[in-house]
Amino acid sequence: GAVVSQHPSRVICKSGTSVKIECRSLDFQATTMFWYRQFPKQSLMLMATSNEGSKATYEQGVEKDKFLINHASLTLSTLTVTSAHPEDSSFYICSAGTGGGTDTQYFGPGTRLTVL
Amino acid sequence: AQSVSQHNHHVILSEAASLELGCNYSYGGTVNLFWYVQYPGQHLQLLLKYFSGDPLVKGIKGFEAEFIKSKFSFNLRKPSVQWSDTAEYFCAVTITGGGNKLTFGTGTQLKVEL
Repeated sequence: GAVVSQHPSRVICKSGTSVKIECRSLDFQATTMFWYRQFPKQSLMLMATSNEGSKATYEQGVEKDKFLINHASLTLSTLTVTSAHPEDSSFYICSAGTGGGTDTQYFGPGTRLTVL
Repeated sequence: AQSVSQHNHHVILSEAASLELGCNYSYGGTVNLFWYVQYPGQHLQLLLKYFSGDPLVKGIKGFEAEFIKSKFSFNLRKPSVQWSDTAEYFCAVTITGGGNKLTFGTGTQLKVEL
């Protein structure tokens, strides 16, 4: 099946710093990638849709200037958490699909961000 | 906007027991339906999906789900669970023309005891 990787798997940073998370589709080209946030014991909440070659579209309530998304190629999307604060600590998960009406998304293993 | 509800938050079963996890969605149009599983410490994996056709869908590891349009439901079933089925199960939907954005239910934590 399709494989999606994320890097890093775990990151700890100081408050005020920025953190970049990479999401890669390893064996397929992903025209669309999605970024989710998962709080402990809760479901995944969609943050934004990353479109290759165009601007990301953000869900309501998600600050686009805080969560910068770049989809530079058909296999790579990055999420940068700028000026991170402790409340940004969470589990960030990406998914990737090949597009189309009957698309199936494949999920990365997630990145655990801890902001001190 | 569409939403997904999973009625059971925690389920505990003994091995060989039958499983049924409820999933209901609210949306008046055409939907695509998914069940994902997240084993402890692992990433989300697709169990099965429904786009069209036969409303009874068979997935991996002996799981199946039935789409009942009149009830807006997509319940997950397995006749006989194993200890290795201990995981969190998420129901999700996308809507036709919605850009493949998944809306997830809150998840059901399944624990299978020996």
